[in-house]
Amino acid sequence: DTEVTQTPKHLVMGMTNKKSLKCEQHMGHRAMYWYKQKAKKPPELMFVYSYEKLSINESVPSRFSPECPNSSLLNLHLHALQPEDSALYLCASSAMGAANTEAFFGQGTRLTVV
Amino acid sequence: AQSVTQLDSQVPVFEEAPVELRCNYSSSVSVYLFWYVQYPNQGLQLLLKYLSGSTLVESINGFEAEFNKSQTSFHLRKPSVHISDTAEYFCAVRNYSSASKIIFGSGTRLSIRP
Repeated sequence: DTEVTQTPKHLVMGMTNKKSLKCEQHMGHRAMYWYKQKAKKPPELMFVYSYEKLSINESVPSRFSPECPNSSLLNLHLHALQPEDSALYLCASSAMGAANTEAFFGQGTRLTVV
Repeated sequence: AQSVTQLDSQVPVFEEAPVELRCNYSSSVSVYLFWYVQYPNQGLQLLLKYLSGSTLVESINGFEAEFNKSQTSFHLRKPSVHISDTAEYFCAVRNYSSASKIIFGSGTRLSIRP
């Protein structure tokens, strides 16, 4: 199983809503990532978790709150977003150590903030 | 720090013609190199990777890329493209440390004309 599964695939939320994006992998990977991708742009790194601990935060606004409850799951909690936060949110995972080469990406959640 | 440059934002080619997508990188340390492909409304899929050893790497669908250390390049080529190759192609690098950032180039949109 080389899949990274993201839910939901599409999400429309108002600026006062609270929602969560979910990501799951069963490849035994201990590094997980959130990326944000705007249209016609490359993915931009938001957060990296290593062994379920936050290791990189790319100065992301606090209205985005990541959570890694266990080694298979990664959440991104959203609150008080702005329309400019509308984008494709991609989750990825990779192995650690010497086996850490490529990252496997999910299909993404397309988020629209209205 | 690493950076990736994809000079061509769009490459239009006719079906069955050859294509080359250019990628140059900059890094003060050794890196892994990747090409990812993103089909419309989908996540990223790994196309091929260079870790070490032979400088020519191949994918299962006919793409190949050659690592050139002296020119710090990792160009992607295919001798004969198909309509189904229409997609966005991202060159990416990461350094050897665990759970490190994957740095993406700006992407090249490959459009195939019948």
